[in-house]
Amino acid sequence: DTAVSQTPKYLVTQMGNDKSIKCEQNLGHDTMYWYKQDSKKFLKIMFSYNNKELIINETVPNRFSPKSPDKAHLNLHINSLELGDSAVYFCASSLKHDSRGSGKTQYFGPGTRLLVL
Amino acid sequence: AQSVAQPEDQVNVAEGNPLTVKCTYSVSGNPYLFWYVQYPNRGLQFLLKYITGDNLVKGSYGFEAEFNKSQTSFHLKKPSALVSDSALYFCAVRPSIYNQGGKLIFGQGTELSVKP
Repeated sequence: DTAVSQTPKYLVTQMGNDKSIKCEQNLGHDTMYWYKQDSKKFLKIMFSYNNKELIINETVPNRFSPKSPDKAHLNLHINSLELGDSAVYFCASSLKHDSRGSGKTQYFGPGTRLLVL
Repeated sequence: AQSVAQPEDQVNVAEGNPLTVKCTYSVSGNPYLFWYVQYPNRGLQFLLKYITGDNLVKGSYGFEAEFNKSQTSFHLKKPSALVSDSALYFCAVRPSIYNQGGKLIFGQGTELSVKP
């Protein structure tokens, strides 16, 4: 009974290719996120979606395009892959954060390890 | 600027001894603070969080953390470390300002090594 799942787990590809990573959550959450973990293990938010609406776009290159077909899915498509895109990409989900802000816990997927050659 | 700092890249502890993993933060407004653990080649697992109320928060696997507003700290503690606690620990803060979209700001991580 996986909570947040990502496919594929590993992705090795050539520079210039286009690839997608899929994320699904079965927790009934309505907010989903993509984070990038670099080679030094530093984690940074990339995108956040609430009910299929983009909430956060943290100055990510427009080669990265998230797509949310429904609130249980948030996919990440990357065009023209570059060496610097090599990282671990984590999907996460949570309940909606209300207008006053709240500490809704984010639950993370297992990560997708992307290696661009 | 909003940030989280984990001043120690690595913490080494003998099994059975108490452990502390340090975290300090800088955010506007009241912070929501979290600790996550990452085992090798795995995703992040939620350990505990502070939202409001009692400054001492208890979480999974016997971990606890103490929120100290005056020192802007949220150190993770465990009275008796286990070898299986060896992992990478992340402190994170979620700014309470409503238009932040719920993003977490992470510290750089602290590698905890517990030796038998």
